[in-house]
Amino acid sequence: DGGITQSPKYLFRKEGQNVTLSCEQNLNHDAMYWYRQDPGQGLRLIYYSQIVNDFQKGDIAEGYSVSREKKESFPLTVTSAQKNPTAFYLCASSMDAGRETQYFGPGTRLLVL
Amino acid sequence: GDSVTQMEGPVTLSEEAFLTINCTYTATGYPSLFWYVQYPGEGLQLLLKATKADDKGSNKGFEATYRKETTSFHLEKGSVQVSDSAVYFCALSDRGGSYIPTFGRGTSLIVHP
Repeated sequence: DGGITQSPKYLFRKEGQNVTLSCEQNLNHDAMYWYRQDPGQGLRLIYYSQIVNDFQKGDIAEGYSVSREKKESFPLTVTSAQKNPTAFYLCASSMDAGRETQYFGPGTRLLVL
Repeated sequence: GDSVTQMEGPVTLSEEAFLTINCTYTATGYPSLFWYVQYPGEGLQLLLKATKADDKGSNKGFEATYRKETTSFHLEKGSVQVSDSAVYFCALSDRGGSYIPTFGRGTSLIVHP
């Protein structure tokens, strides 16, 4: 079955630690996205990538970094510079940058110890 | 910039009641409109969409009509079920811009037996 997988489901971060969230898709989609979801605030775009080896900052990129070395993979690193990382992180993809419908993964919940 | 406003929740209904979740938007261009649904602990999935004025999107008994004159895309269902309990997100995608959706804050629906 085609789809998007995210791992882990839960992730715990210690003070000063960088953590990486995995996102993999086998839909052959060109475009991939990372969103942060906080209660009552909807979805906020962190980074997006329209093609391999290229990515753009979204609305709240500070304290986060990404890479897009393979079409299937778009990992997100939450760095120690992100002072309030506790949230639900959602990865999404779309066929290409001009296709509007997004397909979402099941999410990763990040908690700070 | 573009924005989406949804009615605040939670919306609490008894099974078989009629559902309306209001959504209005502002956009500089001529957007496509979407409803996504998020079940507890999961990612979002597309419920329905409409790409031009007066189009009606429908799926699983849910409907929404693209009203350009009132800039609205209200979600309706004639008879809700307990399994419809979820968070519903209205979104728009500006086809003249980046194609990345702008999401509303979400409306929680709770259906009691």
